[in-house]
Amino acid sequence: QQQVKQSPQSLIVQKGGISIINCAYENTAFDYFPWYQQFPGKGPALLIAIRPDVSEKKEGRFTISFNKSAKQFSLHIMDSQPGDSATYFCAAYDSGYSTLTFGKGTMLLVSP
Amino acid sequence: NAGVTQTPKFRILKIGQSMTLQCAQDMNHNYMYWYRQDPGMGLKLIYYSVGAGITDKGEVPNGYNVSRSTTEDFPLRLELAAPSQTSVYFCASSRGYTGELFFGEGSRLTVL
Repeated sequence: QQQVKQSPQSLIVQKGGISIINCAYENTAFDYFPWYQQFPGKGPALLIAIRPDVSEKKEGRFTISFNKSAKQFSLHIMDSQPGDSATYFCAAYDSGYSTLTFGKGTMLLVSP
Repeated sequence: NAGVTQTPKFRILKIGQSMTLQCAQDMNHNYMYWYRQDPGMGLKLIYYSVGAGITDKGEVPNGYNVSRSTTEDFPLRLELAAPSQTSVYFCASSRGYTGELFFGEGSRLTVL
């Protein structure tokens, strides 16, 4: 069964700090690795994504680091803000099956 | 521009009842998905469709059925509701061959 393992389950960071969320996968057929952000009462929304031929992607304060040999990837949120408080899901896409497998999520709280 | 619209937003069912969760998208996406979200468990794929008339099972299809008669609509049918189907259900769509999914705001179902 395809799996994506995500840690930590919850995270508290002070305003201005760095938030780091880690994920690991098993299936080498995964070929696209997005991160989704979900606010309470809303559906998840795409935040940032990376393909396995790239080791890092940065968009504003959000950076994905990707280690293909270790089958791991992580999300870094620089200068974390209270508005970043949300649940973050890593995911892995298998274009052969057109399906997206999610990690279990990380609840991030950025304290003022 | 509505995106992905789910109805109803909330519903309480008695054990053994049946119901249909509606999902419609106006982005002309070929790919549509149903996920369920349980606390601490991430999102699990129930069924998906890569086009009208084509559906396939995801990770947790038991107790559910789907149909896809048009590009726009992808209803999820719950037969003989059970307490284990208490969850938040999300419908999503995508252009295909990408892990960028657009989610609705969810339907919260309680089975008592």
